[in-house]
Amino acid sequence: AQTVTQSQPEMSVQEAETVTLSCTYDTSESDYYLFWYKQPPSRQMILVIRQEAYKQQNATENRFSVNFQKAAKSFSLKISDSQLGDAAMYFCAYRSANTNAGKSTFGDGTTLTVKP
Amino acid sequence: NAGVMQNPRHLVRRRGQEARLRCSPMKGHSHVYWYRQLPEEGLKFMVYLQKENIIDESGMPKERFSAEFPKEGPSILRIQQVVRGDSAAYFCASSLGTAGSYEQYFGPGTRLTVT
Repeated sequence: AQTVTQSQPEMSVQEAETVTLSCTYDTSESDYYLFWYKQPPSRQMILVIRQEAYKQQNATENRFSVNFQKAAKSFSLKISDSQLGDAAMYFCAYRSANTNAGKSTFGDGTTLTVKP
Repeated sequence: NAGVMQNPRHLVRRRGQEARLRCSPMKGHSHVYWYRQLPEEGLKFMVYLQKENIIDESGMPKERFSAEFPKEGPSILRIQQVVRGDSAAYFCASSLGTAGSYEQYFGPGTRLTVT
């Protein structure tokens, strides 16, 4: 079974600075997808960024980028130029690339505080 | 295109009552997933359904919990004889297909409080 571990329950960053959230995972599969979701106080799950395991190039979405290290099974999220609106809980998630992938497996989350 | 709809958004039940949570997937989506989020934890998978079929219920508690996704109408997660430990946020997600390449779109969740 796949597992996802987020070792930082809480992180804080100064507005306009850069912060990196860590995520490691365990799987025996070679093809899969990794995601970062943002959950603000409204509790709505918002997809931030997604990475296909077969792609060596790290995904980037505006101020959000990932450092995907497949051999190390590491998938960290970097937030540049942090904004007050980035304050939320962030979840790392794994999903198989199989045709019957079904569920996603989530880490326990990292609460990010942004200081003005 | 409306997103995934869940209702009610908040539900209060006394111990021993039944809770019914509804999820309407995005238009055209026939794959529905239910997740539970306990306080200070991540989302835990409960069940995966396609129209009229349960595909994976490996995360469902063996007793009191059931789910369905009928041919017509929303998916229902039913919790019988609720206990305080059932208090959580329940999220539904839907996808267009079952392969991992298909994104799962999440609803806003139903927050269940058992008193």
